[in-house]
Amino acid sequence: NAGVTQTPKFQVLKTGQSMTLQCAQDMNHNSMYWYRQDPGMGLRLIYYSASEGTTDKGEVPNGYNVSRLNKREFSLRLESAAPSQTSVYFCASRGTGYGINYEQYFGPGTRLTVT
Amino acid sequence: GQQLNQSPQSMFIQEGEDVSMNCTSSSIFNTWLWYKQDPGEGPVLLIALYKAGELTSNGRLTAQFGITRKDSFLNISASIPSDVGIYFCAGRVYGGSQGNLIFGKGTKLSVKP
Repeated sequence: NAGVTQTPKFQVLKTGQSMTLQCAQDMNHNSMYWYRQDPGMGLRLIYYSASEGTTDKGEVPNGYNVSRLNKREFSLRLESAAPSQTSVYFCASRGTGYGINYEQYFGPGTRLTVT
Repeated sequence: GQQLNQSPQSMFIQEGEDVSMNCTSSSIFNTWLWYKQDPGEGPVLLIALYKAGELTSNGRLTAQFGITRKDSFLNISASIPSDVGIYFCAGRVYGGSQGNLIFGKGTKLSVKP
């Protein structure tokens, strides 16, 4: 049971390049999330998907798009990367139910630098 | 938007000391969570709280859901070197959008030089 996996672990982009960050979970969770983490800013929600087939904007969606490919996979796309998107990106998933086992569990992160 | 105030921002620990940190909100929450993040890793869920006044432990860690529903506290007893890292609180607003979490900015624990 791998939990939440993310690829790649590290990425360097030039301004204007595009890329897709991949996330997959094997916990049969319905909800999936993308966050960015910047020093002193905590975790900020970019987009989320409450269930397969639905996506919604979070707090900081500008410059990003997402795709909920199936129940397991939720990808984040940067169409034209900007230096302000240099950050650590975390994917998380959550089950439907009550209790600690149904809360958000995080992947290991992707460290992105845009030059 | 809603904000969580987490304090202190940072603190130094000496092995064996007890540590306390807290989070406060302007909104009423129905869930409080505490996560720990080690350098280069993703946050790991430590404790979940669901009722006002609830006290829950996970080893040497104890967290409480404040009776006003607007705050939560985390205590670490007899700290050890592997306790260093960043601790985040997170809350879920009652009736909030899709049950999404709001995160504090973290308390960074470091070893006293």
